[in-house]
Amino acid sequence: TAGITQAPTSQILAAGRSMTLRCTQDMRHNAMYWYRQDLGLGLRLIHYSNTAGTTGKGEVPDGYSVSRANTDDFPLTLASAVPSQTSVYFCASSPGGAIYNEQFFGPGTRLTVL
Amino acid sequence: AQSVAQPEDQVNVAEGNPLTVKCTYSVSGNPYLFWYVQYPNRGLQFLLKYITGDNLVKGSYGFEAEFNKSQTSFHLKKPSALVSDSALYFCAVRGRSGNTGKLIFGQGTTLQVKP
Repeated sequence: TAGITQAPTSQILAAGRSMTLRCTQDMRHNAMYWYRQDLGLGLRLIHYSNTAGTTGKGEVPDGYSVSRANTDDFPLTLASAVPSQTSVYFCASSPGGAIYNEQFFGPGTRLTVL
Repeated sequence: AQSVAQPEDQVNVAEGNPLTVKCTYSVSGNPYLFWYVQYPNRGLQFLLKYITGDNLVKGSYGFEAEFNKSQTSFHLKKPSALVSDSALYFCAVRGRSGNTGKLIFGQGTTLQVKP
């Protein structure tokens, strides 16, 4: 199985433009997450979804929005990109149910905002 | 507030020697603890986790970690390092209350294993 796929692999975006990062999983996991990875800061949670139809804010949600219309897809949208959103973005999923379940990560999207 | 600290930005070991990557945490109550590994230009891969029970947890690729409640630590170890173990390692913690799925990650430690 593919697990988690993310698109695009990388993108250069002009400041002020909007963009949607796509994430799809084929494991039928209930929970999905978006993180950003920045040097020296580790991974920080942007938004999460415990199940289809619900979403929640993480540690750094400002400037980002998400939707969870179905189990498999969890897109992340930047409405008006700013240079501080230059980062590597990782989507993750977990089976849900037990909060000690590990998370499975996608390959990431490298975004540069100029 | 929950937090995780990885005090070393980089750990260097010779192939065949034992390795330790340190992690300390701060969380109210008993934690769930995780180690992940990231190879260059890849996503994170799960290595092992502590839920309850035996303080020594064994995981993938010969790695193990020891939960020490009194020292609030969860150090990652391997008896004999391989060059292929060179990667970025993340410790993560999750509190037992609530169900928001919020993992808190440390800043990461780069492991360099030299031949």
